[in-house]
Amino acid sequence: AQTVTQSQPEMSVQEAETVTLSCTYDTSENNYYLFWYKQPPSRQMILVIRQEAYKQQNATENRFSVNFQKAAKSFSLKISDSQLGDTAMYFCAFLLNRGDKLTFGTGTRLAVRP
Amino acid sequence: NAGVTQTPKFQVLKTGQSMTLQCAQDMNHEYMSWYRQDPGMGLRLIHYSVGAGITDQGEVPNGYNVSRSTTEDFPLRLLSAAPSQTSVYFCASSYPPSGGATETQYFGPGTRLLVL
Repeated sequence: AQTVTQSQPEMSVQEAETVTLSCTYDTSENNYYLFWYKQPPSRQMILVIRQEAYKQQNATENRFSVNFQKAAKSFSLKISDSQLGDTAMYFCAFLLNRGDKLTFGTGTRLAVRP
Repeated sequence: NAGVTQTPKFQVLKTGQSMTLQCAQDMNHEYMSWYRQDPGMGLRLIHYSVGAGITDQGEVPNGYNVSRSTTEDFPLRLLSAAPSQTSVYFCASSYPPSGGATETQYFGPGTRLLVL
């Protein structure tokens, strides 16, 4: 079974600065998908970014980028130019195959300070 | 295109009562699933469906039933509510029949359930 670990329960960053959230996972499979979801106080789960394991290039979405280290089974999220609206809970998630269940980490609560 | 919708947004039940949480999607997704979110535990899969007429158990299925009579709807039934089922419930869908990032799951806004 796959596991996902987020070792930082809470983090804080000054507005306009950069912050990196950590995620590690455990799997014996070679092909899979990784995701970062954001959950603001509204509780809505919002997809931030996704990465296919077979792609060596790190995914980027505007101010959000990942550092995917397949051998180390690490999938960190970097948020550049942090904004107050980035304040949320961030979940790392693993998916083995299309139609399989997502395995979530326990989340990192990020607070952006003005 | 409303995406994934869930009703109700919030519900209070007494122990032993039954209710159905509704979930609908208008994206023609084949895969739908139900998760529950508890403090400090992330989201855990309750039940899922890979298509109309097909359902299967997830990680924490006890106390919940599902059915999938249409592609659009995937209701979650609590037959006899217990305080341990107090949680936030999310419905998600993915796997459009053609094109796009088929493995990406899109979530509804959630239902907060309190069982007294």
